[in-house]
Amino acid sequence: DQQVKQNSPSLSVQEGRISILNCDYTNSMFDYFLWYKKYPAEGPTFLISISSIKDKNEDGRFTVFLNKSAKHLSLHIVPSQPGDSAVYFCAASERENAGNMLTFGGGTRLMVKP
Amino acid sequence: KAGVTQTPRYLIKTRGQQVTLSCSPISGHRSVSWYQQTPGQGLQFLFEYFSETQRNKGNFPGRFSGRQFSNSRSEMNVSTLELGDSALYLCASSRTGRSSPLHFGNGTRLTVT
Repeated sequence: DQQVKQNSPSLSVQEGRISILNCDYTNSMFDYFLWYKKYPAEGPTFLISISSIKDKNEDGRFTVFLNKSAKHLSLHIVPSQPGDSAVYFCAASERENAGNMLTFGGGTRLMVKP
Repeated sequence: KAGVTQTPRYLIKTRGQQVTLSCSPISGHRSVSWYQQTPGQGLQFLFEYFSETQRNKGNFPGRFSGRQFSNSRSEMNVSTLELGDSALYLCASSRTGRSSPLHFGNGTRLTVT
């Protein structure tokens, strides 16, 4: 069973507009969440993270929102740029001593059109 | 600062053979994790090593194994290869635990024929 799900396999957005990528999880033990971006032929690159003690974290154009009661997180990119076109993965880990054992969603391919 | 280096980039093996993949982490990083990426299953955690000890293990058969050396470099081995082992194998390093994000290499693309 998938504990982390990204239900939209793809998303197309106009340059300058907001991109919203969504992620749902089922494991209530998850308490740390991350977003990674992946270009073809490259490994994933860390974007932003959020701990379950927060409900929002911002870093430049990227903001992650966490709704613990709904077990839902989202990544907002404002404004979207063509260089943001990539596959975005959300990931979660479930306890402090879990080290780097992350559970990933299936990814959402974002296309930002000029 | 050099990134995570994985070798080789591409590998073709035959069913039943075994394979060893190598990963050199970023200097100063003591944690090395391995992930398998396939179109059907996405990114799945294989195992993590920290200071030469396996700290976590994913839900993969015993044919998948790994180790970490004193210089933090890591290898993973897959024995008795199956067609379903064809995947992109990604190595990632970080300084310590989850408070420091993973830095991924570009992966080794393994094809089993």
